[in-house]
Amino acid sequence: DGGITQSPKYLFRKEGQNVTLSCEQNLNHDAMYWYRQDPGQGLRLIYYSQIVNDFQKGDIAEGYSVSREKKESFPLTVTSAQKNPTAFYLCASTVDREYYNEQFFGPGTRLTVL
Amino acid sequence: GEDVEQSLFLSVREGDSSVINCTYTDSSSTYLYWYKQEPGAGLQLLTYIFSNMDMKQDQRLTVLLNKKDKHLSLRIADTQTGDSAIYFCAERRRSGGYNKLIFGAGTRLAVHP
Repeated sequence: DGGITQSPKYLFRKEGQNVTLSCEQNLNHDAMYWYRQDPGQGLRLIYYSQIVNDFQKGDIAEGYSVSREKKESFPLTVTSAQKNPTAFYLCASTVDREYYNEQFFGPGTRLTVL
Repeated sequence: GEDVEQSLFLSVREGDSSVINCTYTDSSSTYLYWYKQEPGAGLQLLTYIFSNMDMKQDQRLTVLLNKKDKHLSLRIADTQTGDSAIYFCAERRRSGGYNKLIFGAGTRLAVHP
């Protein structure tokens, strides 16, 4: 079955630690995205990548870093510089054609900073 | 501004119709989307509408688009308890050579007997 997987589902981190969230897709999609979701707010774009070895900052990139060494994988590192990292993190991918451009989402990782 | 706006809550009785409303900001947006999120899960695309359409129907779902007022609505006919979820409206904008989705805050739909 094709799809997007994120791991782990739940993650706990102590203040001052970096942590990496995994996102893998086997849909052969070119573009991948990371979003952050907070209660009562829409999804906010952290980083996106259109092709391998290239990525761009989204609207709230501060305190986060990414890499795109393989087409299938787009890990997100939440660094200690992120002031309020507790949130639900969603990864998405798309073919990024001109027309309708459905983004497929993974199941999410809930990060809690203790 | 950049915001896509939606009301935060809607409560309906099982079997009634639900109407979720959304206003968007960019008149040049070509596609508008409705996503559904069940508790603790990712988002699932329900339906989308191209900007040159006024209406799109897909089984129990009807999307209405008023471009003049930048208003989008999602009607769910015969609402069931399984429809309880958060519904996100999103508009697609082309920015810096890539397609960007701008999401509303989501409408939490509660279906009661």
